[in-house]
Amino acid sequence: AQKVTQAQTEISVVEKEDVTLDCVYETRDTTYYLFWYKQPPSGELVFLIRRNSFDEQNEISGRYSWNFQKSTSSFNFTITASQVVDSAVYFCALTLMNTGFQKLVFGTGTRLLVSP
Amino acid sequence: GAGVSQSPSNKVTEKGKDVELRCDPISGHTALYWYRQSLGQGLEFLIYFQGNSAPDKSGLPSDRFSAERTGGSVSTLTIQRTQQEDSAVYLCASSQAGDFGEKLFFGSGTQLSVL
Repeated sequence: AQKVTQAQTEISVVEKEDVTLDCVYETRDTTYYLFWYKQPPSGELVFLIRRNSFDEQNEISGRYSWNFQKSTSSFNFTITASQVVDSAVYFCALTLMNTGFQKLVFGTGTRLLVSP
Repeated sequence: GAGVSQSPSNKVTEKGKDVELRCDPISGHTALYWYRQSLGQGLEFLIYFQGNSAPDKSGLPSDRFSAERTGGSVSTLTIQRTQQEDSAVYLCASSQAGDFGEKLFFGSGTQLSVL
């Protein structure tokens, strides 16, 4: 069975600090996709990034960056120079490629609080 | 529409009553998903539609739960004889074709409270 672990339940930082959200996944399958979603107080999950198991390249998008390491089964997310608007719950998720469709297994989420 | 729309946004019901939750996906999206978010279980997959067909209903917790999709668009999730453990936020999402790497577009959810 697949599992996604986000060990950090809640993180509090002050604006402009850098923060890293950890994600560790478990699967015996070799083909899969990993995702990060953001859930602001309004409730809808907003897509941030996807990575497939063939592509270990790290990615940077503005203040956001992601570090994918198959050797440690981790897909960590870093926010540089955090802002109050980054306050939300962040979810890491996994889908296998043998299910026929995208069937996400989510972690329990990390609540990020950024104070001014 | 511009985004995924869910109604009602909040539903309070009494134990034993039936409820219907509605999802209106983004126009043209063939794939539609229902997820449930609860304090105890986190985010769980319920059911997937491709067009009007539901190839995977494996996440439905019991036979009290059913869902349908008509015209390849609107979907309704029905919970019969609601129980207190059904209290949760029910989230609907859609995507263009249902491919593995597609991003899902989520609605804001229906908060269901069973008294």
